[in-house]
Amino acid sequence: GQQLNQSPQSMFIQEGEDVSMNCTSSSIFNTWLWYKQDPGEGPVLLIALYKAGELTSNGRLTAQFGITRKDSFLNISASIPSDVGIYFCAGRSQNSGGSNYKLTFGKGTLLTVNP
Amino acid sequence: AAGVIQSPRHLIKEKRETATLKCYPIPRHDTVYWYQQGPGQDPQFLISFYEKMQSDKGSIPDRFSAQQFSDYHSELNMSSLELGDSALYFCASSQHGLISGNTIYFGEGSWLTVV
Repeated sequence: GQQLNQSPQSMFIQEGEDVSMNCTSSSIFNTWLWYKQDPGEGPVLLIALYKAGELTSNGRLTAQFGITRKDSFLNISASIPSDVGIYFCAGRSQNSGGSNYKLTFGKGTLLTVNP
Repeated sequence: AAGVIQSPRHLIKEKRETATLKCYPIPRHDTVYWYQQGPGQDPQFLISFYEKMQSDKGSIPDRFSAQQFSDYHSELNMSSLELGDSALYFCASSQHGLISGNTIYFGEGSWLTVV
């Protein structure tokens, strides 16, 4: 099955620092999504990427869909304490019939921001 | 904006009992997905439905079944519960047929504890 390698597993940074995380896959995806999850809550969508090479920003967050369609990164600039949480990448492809496939998740990056 | 609604948020069941989780997708979304997330794990895909038909199947145990109804809400039925079924269960929804339909939104989850 499809697998996503997400790194790093965890990060400890100081408030104000920038942070970057990425996901790679052996499979091609036609959509990359980045989610943030707080403990006991559902994943909240941060950024959606639909085309290879696409670079999209959402406030202090920037994500890119790799040209090969097998990777994506997420950058957070000027981190603040409320950025703490688990960040998941998720990739999605389509089958030959055009049906939408399930999301495949990375293992997550646990971000800790020290004030 | 309306989000994915899940109920109940928490439930406690004994081994071998049955549990039913409900999911109400975002209005006009026609596809629902069920995911299971164990402690410290990434969400694992169970099953999905598009227009009331099963569209994809993941690691859903035979003891579990699900369906999507005419109003697009979905129910996940879990029978002969085992301790290992204790997890956070997420429902997600999307709208098929649009590029943005590749974006999947998650509910807040239902905590199942089997004792």
